[in-house]
Amino acid sequence: RKEVEQDPGPFNVPEGATVAFNCTYSNSASQSFFWYRQDCRKEPKLLMSVYSSGNEDGRFTAQLNRASQYISLLIRDSKLSDSATYLCVEDTGRRALTFGSGTRLQVQP
Amino acid sequence: DTEVTQTPKHLVMGMTNKKSLKCEQHMGHRAMYWYKQKAKKPPELMFVYSYEKLSINESVPSRFSPECPNSSLLNLHLHALQPEDSALYLCASSQAEGEQFFGPGTRLTVL
Repeated sequence: RKEVEQDPGPFNVPEGATVAFNCTYSNSASQSFFWYRQDCRKEPKLLMSVYSSGNEDGRFTAQLNRASQYISLLIRDSKLSDSATYLCVEDTGRRALTFGSGTRLQVQP
Repeated sequence: DTEVTQTPKHLVMGMTNKKSLKCEQHMGHRAMYWYKQKAKKPPELMFVYSYEKLSINESVPSRFSPECPNSSLLNLHLHALQPEDSALYLCASSQAEGEQFFGPGTRLTVL
């Protein structure tokens, strides 16, 4: 099985900081990519889809680089409520999602 | 209604028991999924149902038996489980193509 790789962290950042996560994937045939966040003992929740042209949703910006096969997530002006595990996810086209192992973010006051 | 519901929230069962997990969505999604998640690991796909037909079985042992009675419901029947099957079982749904939305999960403990 092709894999999605992420730095597990934890990333410990102060409130207001900007933090970036990267994720690499090995399956060049993958069709779609997403970022999910998962709080402790909760289900994953969709944060945003990732498009080749890059997309932004408030404080969050996602980028996809197909040539280098990596995906990034930038969080600006970090809030305490951003503390969670961020999962990089690929859809290879079979409608079967493959999750990265997640990057843990801890935003500190 | 924009949520996926799962019952029960918690389940404790012995290795000889038979139990079922239930999942329901009313978003009109035509694909539904079962995932298994162990502690500090990402979710792992088990089964995919598309238009009420099983389309993917990720080599899951036969002690797990999925069922899709209609487009809104998805069950997972459990029989003769092992302690290593203890995990969070997540149901998800999606449009034919698109993002998947997860239910809160059933936390299963096998004694």
